[in-house]
Amino acid sequence: QKEVEQNSGPLSVPEGAIASLNCTYSDRGSQSFFWYRQYSGKSPELIMFIYSNGDKEDGRFTAQLNKASQYVSLLIRDSQPSDSATYLCAVKNSGNTPLVFGKGTRLSVIA
Amino acid sequence: EAQVTQNPRYLITVTGKKLTVTCSQNMNHEYMSWYRQDPGLGLRQIYYSMNVEVTDKGDVPEGYKVSRKEKRNFPLILESPSPNQTSLYFCASSLTSGDYNEQFFGPGTRLTVL
Repeated sequence: QKEVEQNSGPLSVPEGAIASLNCTYSDRGSQSFFWYRQYSGKSPELIMFIYSNGDKEDGRFTAQLNKASQYVSLLIRDSQPSDSATYLCAVKNSGNTPLVFGKGTRLSVIA
Repeated sequence: EAQVTQNPRYLITVTGKKLTVTCSQNMNHEYMSWYRQDPGLGLRQIYYSMNVEVTDKGDVPEGYKVSRKEKRNFPLILESPSPNQTSLYFCASSLTSGDYNEQFFGPGTRLTVL
């Protein structure tokens, strides 16, 4: 059974701080990694994706991937109250395989 | 506007009364999928479809049926709903099922089975 593990939280950070969200996965064959944000009662929306080891930056968001250690993380710089949401890590193997989601980490940014 | 639509958005029904939740996408996507989301269990895949007339079971298919007669539509059918199917349901689509394709989600359908 392919597993994607996330700490459920809540992770509380003060406004302006860096929020660090972590995700580990069990399938070494995983090729692509996605971070989705989901506000309460709403549908998930893609924030970032990463395929190669290292860092990928997009505005205040940085995704980090370490395939050897089988973890992927999301850093949110200058956290804002509007970043308060559940963040879902999703992992995909190559080919016609399904996207496997973690259960999500709830982030709370305190003003 | 490129989007995935679902109907109805909210539904309260009774045990055993057949229902269909519709899903439609206007992006010419090949891949479509249904998920249910429950507190503490996260998003779990029910069924998926690689293309027209091709469907397959996900992690939790029991009690559900799907069909893919047209590329844009992927309805979810509950022949005899039970209270344990009370959940938040999401339809999603992507260009293909390949490695690097973003999945776009519909707005969700909140189903309550009494």
